[in-house]
Amino acid sequence: GAGVSQSPSNKVTEKGKDVELRCDPISGHTALYWYRQSLGQGLEFLIYFQGNSAPDKSGLPSDRFSAERTGGSVSTLTIQRTQQEDSAVYLCASSPRGARGEETQYFGPGTRLLVL
Amino acid sequence: AQSVTQLGSHVSVSEGALVLLRCNYSSSVPPYLFWYVQYPNQGLQLLLKYTTGATLVKGINGFEAEFKKSETSFHLTKPSAHMSDAAEYFCAVSDPFGNEKLTFGTGTRLTIIP
Repeated sequence: GAGVSQSPSNKVTEKGKDVELRCDPISGHTALYWYRQSLGQGLEFLIYFQGNSAPDKSGLPSDRFSAERTGGSVSTLTIQRTQQEDSAVYLCASSPRGARGEETQYFGPGTRLLVL
Repeated sequence: AQSVTQLGSHVSVSEGALVLLRCNYSSSVPPYLFWYVQYPNQGLQLLLKYTTGATLVKGINGFEAEFKKSETSFHLTKPSAHMSDAAEYFCAVSDPFGNEKLTFGTGTRLTIIP
């Protein structure tokens, strides 16, 4: 079946602009995660959605970052007033239930963001 | 707090040789342990994971890893390297009693020498 998809695959923006990154999880997966992969910081957790529960936003680096998940499926990560240090690959993952961390997370191909 | 250490950011082995990628973790409770592989311009793919049960775990593409609680390690091995194994490998942990998030090591880039 279809895996996790992300769009756009690449995004170039100017410093100070807002960007939206989209993630379509695997159908039926209730848990959705966003991670960031950058040269300086490696792979970092950003935010986690599980069903209708309040999201865990503990990994968001600043209040310029926000995310939502509509209808328990598609998620959008928004970065406001982008900075050059936001340049990274943003990875989305989903898992069937997000049950106590033992499940496999299935990753999308990522969105490569470059802030000029 | 959990953390993962991967010794060696770059490892090179000859085709047909043993692959050994090291992973040590720090956690207040035995975590769940994962190895993911990332090929160029692709997302991460699960190689194998340890949650409970047998401490020697076999994964895809001939890889295996052994959970050693006394050494807080989860090293990844493959008896005979193939050219197709060239990729970046990430060790990760999650807390069995907490959030579902993965905490990743810094990765090891594996190069296969023909």
